[in-house]
Amino acid sequence: AQTVTQSQPEMSVQEAETVTLSCTYDTSENNYYLFWYKQPPSRQMILVIRQEAYKQQNATENRFSVNFQKAAKSFSLKISDSQLGDTAMYFCAFMTPNDYKLSFGAGTTVTVRA
Amino acid sequence: NAGVTQTPKFQVLKTGQSMTLQCAQDMNHNSMYWYRQDPGMGLRLIYYSASEGTTDKGEVPNGYNVSRLNKREFSLRLESAAPSQTSVYFCASTPIREGGQPQHFGDGTRLSIL
Repeated sequence: AQTVTQSQPEMSVQEAETVTLSCTYDTSENNYYLFWYKQPPSRQMILVIRQEAYKQQNATENRFSVNFQKAAKSFSLKISDSQLGDTAMYFCAFMTPNDYKLSFGAGTTVTVRA
Repeated sequence: NAGVTQTPKFQVLKTGQSMTLQCAQDMNHNSMYWYRQDPGMGLRLIYYSASEGTTDKGEVPNGYNVSRLNKREFSLRLESAAPSQTSVYFCASTPIREGGQPQHFGDGTRLSIL
């Protein structure tokens, strides 16, 4: 399995402010896919955003955007205008096209304060 | 549209008992996966089925067996449950393996082994 590292176990942010979650990964592959999943207290796993490594443009989905730095093997998630419903654990995940298996980081718990 | 359905949602077993976790998807997806989630470790792949009729080991297959009963259903069996298998189990599916398609997850099964 590929190694995915999320170095921030917990983060706290004030409502309406911005928070950035870090993710780094280790691979020798040139082509792969990266994902951020959200897991609220309900335990569901919800796809937040997806990035293809061969695309230089950073993916965005409404208030969620990524900063993909391929050379640095970094894939950070920015949550803008944080809302109370963003409170959840966020997982970074890596997928290679040779076996299409997902490797997950340990997760970052984000708490949005009112 | 139910998506990925897992049963049961909760289960308590005694050491040595056997148990089958059920998973069904109604999205006509080809590939299905079983993960376990333990505190501080993210999700780890137990087994997967790239297509109907095939199954392969993931990162942590020991102590588990799987059956891809048909295209819709993928079950996970614990033959002799051990306390180390206490975890939250997730089933996931994806349309095809190719192209880095995101996986769709069920709501999880919380399993406790006493």
